[in-house]
Amino acid sequence: NAGVMQNPRHLVRRRGQEARLRCSPMKGHSHVYWYRQLPEEGLKFMVYLQKENIIDESGMPKERFSAEFPKEGPSILRIQQVVRGDSAAYFCASSPKNRQETQYFGPGTRLLVL
Amino acid sequence: DQQVKQNSPSLSVQEGRISILNCDYTNSMFDYFLWYKKYPAEGPTFLISISSIKDKNEDGRFTVFLNKSAKHLSLHIVPSQPGDSAVYFCAASPEKTSGSRLTFGEGTQLTVNP
Repeated sequence: NAGVMQNPRHLVRRRGQEARLRCSPMKGHSHVYWYRQLPEEGLKFMVYLQKENIIDESGMPKERFSAEFPKEGPSILRIQQVVRGDSAAYFCASSPKNRQETQYFGPGTRLLVL
Repeated sequence: DQQVKQNSPSLSVQEGRISILNCDYTNSMFDYFLWYKKYPAEGPTFLISISSIKDKNEDGRFTVFLNKSAKHLSLHIVPSQPGDSAVYFCAASPEKTSGSRLTFGEGTQLTVNP
């Protein structure tokens, strides 16, 4: 019974490159959330998706960031033209269709922008 | 505007004693509260939750208390064990049944000394 899976676990990018972070929710979960944790801070909500739909993207930066959760395959968080300030841990969480309030987290992707 | 606050960045207790972690919130729309535990380089692990219709929820060594009038909740761990040493995050959600973002506190580092 695999939990939420994220890859890569660590990602190094140079300024201006693109970063793609993947998240496979727990089996049977149809809701995916992305959070970001900057150093010495708590987790901050970014976006909430269901299959093929963005439900709430109020926490996403207006530029360079996008997210999708296609009908088939993992959810993708995409950061274009990365800057040093994007360096953070990015966590994905999923929840079951019928118990939306408890979110289960993956191990995170640690992005380092050089 | 920090809507969920954990005012103690760290707490140190002796093995076998009680650990009490505190959390305050300002948004009266929050009606569901969760505690997560996080080890370094891992994702948050769900511990226990409480709905605003209750004032206490217990699960083994973990008990969460909610004081709605004071907008305050606490997590009690008794007896504390060295393996409980981790960062504990309080989180809140405004809509229990429709699925929504979690707002996290900054975390409290708990150290349980043998």
